[in-house]
Amino acid sequence: QVTLRESGPALVNSTQTLTLTCSFSGFSLSTYGMCVTWVRQPPGKALEWLALIDWDDDRYYSTSLKTRLTVSRDTSKTQVVLTLTNVDPLDTATYFCARIRHPGIRGIDSWGPGTLVIVSS
Amino acid sequence: DIQLTQSPSFLSASVGDRVTITCRASQGIASYLVWYQQKPGQAPKLLIYGASSLQSGVPSRFSGSGSGTEFTLTISSLQPEDFATYHCQQLKTYPYTFGQGTKLEIK
Repeated sequence: QVTLRESGPALVNSTQTLTLTCSFSGFSLSTYGMCVTWVRQPPGKALEWLALIDWDDDRYYSTSLKTRLTVSRDTSKTQVVLTLTNVDPLDTATYFCARIRHPGIRGIDSWGPGTLVIVSS
Repeated sequence: DIQLTQSPSFLSASVGDRVTITCRASQGIASYLVWYQQKPGQAPKLLIYGASSLQSGVPSRFSGSGSGTEFTLTISSLQPEDFATYHCQQLKTYPYTFGQGTKLEIK
């Protein structure tokens, strides 16, 4: 059974760096085709794709946020970390981590419950 | 980036109705289009992948079609549990992008 769970601060001040951790089980990020992706959703708004890290440690980012985002994985490959620098109240959102298999045509099949992050000015 | 435009943004319908939601891509994405359903306070749930394949466990009243730049999600007979927000996503090219969502409400 695949499970994912996001963790991190619920409140962050403007200009600070937000660090979120995705802890997962039920699959290995070192297995060919496995990827972890991050998506966020501001309150009442649309989903926004943020980043992806794959089994080969390749990383992909949102065009509008790529200068502020970093995605990485720990050596045990059971956690993925997302950092977002210089946060602004517009970064207030629920952040989801999720599993997707390459090629992406099969979609995101497993999601974490999400974690709400509020950025205070 | 590939832009996805969903229509309508809001849809009001009754139990038993047939509804269709459209997702248009700014460039061709073959069949690399998926649909999700999201209920308040929950993560999205995968309904359709590869534009027309039904995810395991999803009721057969959901169907998807299309290829290239135009795609549709159809619910053949709305059930009370189907009132939710629906999102399309393209997975042809990074960055993977989402549509703006369609909120389906009870009439």
